[in-house]
Amino acid sequence: AQSVTQPDIHITVSEGASLELRCNYSYGATPYLFWYVQSPGQGLQLLLKYFSGDTLVQGIKGFEAEFKRSQSSFNLRKPSVHWSDAAEYFCAVGVSGNTPLVFGKGTRLSVIA
Amino acid sequence: EPEVTQTPSHQVTQMGQEVILRCVPISNHLYFYWYRQILGQKVEFLVSFYNNEISEKSEIFDDQFSVERPDGSNFTLKIRSTKLEDSAMYFCASSGDRDEANQPQHFGDGTRLSIL
Repeated sequence: AQSVTQPDIHITVSEGASLELRCNYSYGATPYLFWYVQSPGQGLQLLLKYFSGDTLVQGIKGFEAEFKRSQSSFNLRKPSVHWSDAAEYFCAVGVSGNTPLVFGKGTRLSVIA
Repeated sequence: EPEVTQTPSHQVTQMGQEVILRCVPISNHLYFYWYRQILGQKVEFLVSFYNNEISEKSEIFDDQFSVERPDGSNFTLKIRSTKLEDSAMYFCASSGDRDEANQPQHFGDGTRLSIL
């Protein structure tokens, strides 16, 4: 069975600073990996996905993530955080795009001036 | 951009009552899902639906739950006799079309279900 660990429950960064949110997964084969963002009272918006190929994937809002098989990781990065990036970020893993997703517990991002 | 829509945004129901949560998936998608998120916890899979039948379900999806696609556009989740522990945000998602079946899931904004 798949599992996802997001070690950081809450991260605070200054506006303009770089950001890295950690995600580790457990799955026996090559996983399908996703990052979703949830603003307060809103649904889950897909930031980016990794299915295969290039291990560095670009997403919306200036985010990117790198799949590292050797570390079973799929960390999310952004070079310069904006105040509007404050939200909850969820990493998820699936067997394919059309199978149930297993989510991590999420990392809440706060952005300070 | 097409999106998944869910109604109502908030539902308050007495314990023991039946509740139906409604979703309109993205129109050309073929795979449909329900997830839930209890306050402060992670998002959990409930059920997936393809070709007019349940394809997978979790342990949470017991006999109190059912899903239906009553017409070509709606996808519903029914909880037959609600319990206090059913209070959660329920998310509908859809994915995959005939041209590219393997696509990421797109989520609606959720229905917040409060059981009194």
